[in-house]
Amino acid sequence: GEDVEQSLFLSVREGDSSVINCTYTDSSSTYLYWYKQEPGAGLQLLTYIFSNMDMKQDQRLTVLLNKKDKHLSLRIADTQTGDSAIYFCAENESFQKLVFGTGTRLLVSP
Amino acid sequence: DVKVTQSSRYLVKRTGEKVFLECVQDMDHENMFWYRQDPGLGLRLIYFSYDVKMKEKGDIPEGYSVSREKKERFSLILESASTNQTSMYLCASSLGHGGTEAFFGQGTRLTVV
Repeated sequence: GEDVEQSLFLSVREGDSSVINCTYTDSSSTYLYWYKQEPGAGLQLLTYIFSNMDMKQDQRLTVLLNKKDKHLSLRIADTQTGDSAIYFCAENESFQKLVFGTGTRLLVSP
Repeated sequence: DVKVTQSSRYLVKRTGEKVFLECVQDMDHENMFWYRQDPGLGLRLIYFSYDVKMKEKGDIPEGYSVSREKKERFSLILESASTNQTSMYLCASSLGHGGTEAFFGQGTRLTVV
C-alpha cells in the first residue's frame, strides 16, 4: 500500500494550539481524513477534506492541504486535556479502502 | 445510532490455536475491513470485503483468512495463531459508493501465548 507518514508524539499545554502533520503519497486520493482514537476505543472520524480543497474549518479544527507537497495538517485551537488521544491521517483508495498513517499521540498537559 | 460490534474486547489464545474474531455492523454497509494496530506502525489492512462472499487481500494477509457469508458479518480467522499475531484488531465498515466515513468497532486485543 501507499505510505502515509506522521510524527509519533506531540506534547502541548492546555490552551495552546496543536498542529499535527502528515505526508501522503497517492496523488489520486479523493478524500483525506483525520481520525481520533481515545484510550481503549476504536477510531472516530474527526473531519475530512476533498482533494480539490486547500482548507477546511470546523469549530476548533482547521485542516490544511498542500497537494503539491502531498502534505496534510490538522490544527486544534485552544487544545484541551480531553483532546489527548492518538490522531491518524488517512487517504482513500478504491472501494473506500483507507491507508492510515502511523498515528500521532497528542499529550495535553494542564 | 450506527454501530460496529466486535465480539470480544480481550482474548488470550495459545500458539497453534485456530482463532475467530467476529464483527457485525447494523448499517447495511457494503464494505467491511479488518485492520491490525501496532505501536509505531499505525493501522495495517489485513483483508477487506466489498460484498457478500467477496474478499480482497490487504497489505498483510499472511496467516489470516476471512469469511463474509452475510452482509452484516465479517469474520477474521487466524488459522494457527502465533505470538507475532499478538495485536489490537480493528474492524470497520463503510458504504460502497459515495460514503466518506468508515465506522470502527472498539477493537479486540488479542494476546497469543
